[in-house]
Amino acid sequence: GQQVMQIPQYQHVQEGEDFTTYCNSSTTLSNIQWYKQRPGGHPVFLIQLVKSGEVKKQKRLTFQFGEAKKNSSLHITATQTTDVGTYFCAQPNTGNQFYFGTGTSLTVIP
Amino acid sequence: ETGVTQTPRHLVMGMTNKKSLKCEQHLGHNAMYWYKQSAKKPLELMFVYSLEERVENNSVPSRFSPECPNSSHLFLHLHTLQPEDSALYLCASSLGYSNNQPQHFGDGTRLSIL
Repeated sequence: GQQVMQIPQYQHVQEGEDFTTYCNSSTTLSNIQWYKQRPGGHPVFLIQLVKSGEVKKQKRLTFQFGEAKKNSSLHITATQTTDVGTYFCAQPNTGNQFYFGTGTSLTVIP
Repeated sequence: ETGVTQTPRHLVMGMTNKKSLKCEQHLGHNAMYWYKQSAKKPLELMFVYSLEERVENNSVPSRFSPECPNSSHLFLHLHTLQPEDSALYLCASSLGYSNNQPQHFGDGTRLSIL
């Protein structure tokens, strides 16, 4: 089946440092979604990107969709302990469903 | 409060037991999903219901049996499970069955098979 490549798998950062996770596809995507799952919690929808080269910001989070619509990134500026969790990208398949990436687990060291 | 409620939160069962997981959404959505989340693996889509009709069954073993009596409720009936079925089972809903709709997840049921 379709595989969603997400890197890195794990990231440990000192509080205040920046963090970036990347999501790559071998095919052109119609859109991409990002979710966050806190430890012991459930995935929570963060954002959807649709347009080529689109950049969206949510406070310290910046989401980008590549010009070719084959990759996306999530960047967190000046991480805080509340940013701890696993960040997933989700790519649509040829049907009406999403394939979720393996996620990037972020640990923030106070 | 997520708008999607799952019960029970935790379930321990033997391989010969029969149990059911319940999901209820209060968001007025028309599509509901069951996912399996195992350690170090991506979320695996198991079943999709749109307007109470099953639209996808992603090669899930028959020991998992879904039921959607109305657009607000979704069940997952379990019988004769295997140890490898131990995982977090997440229910989700979306406004419509479409790949541009956000999915809203419940807190999940943590299932352990003895």
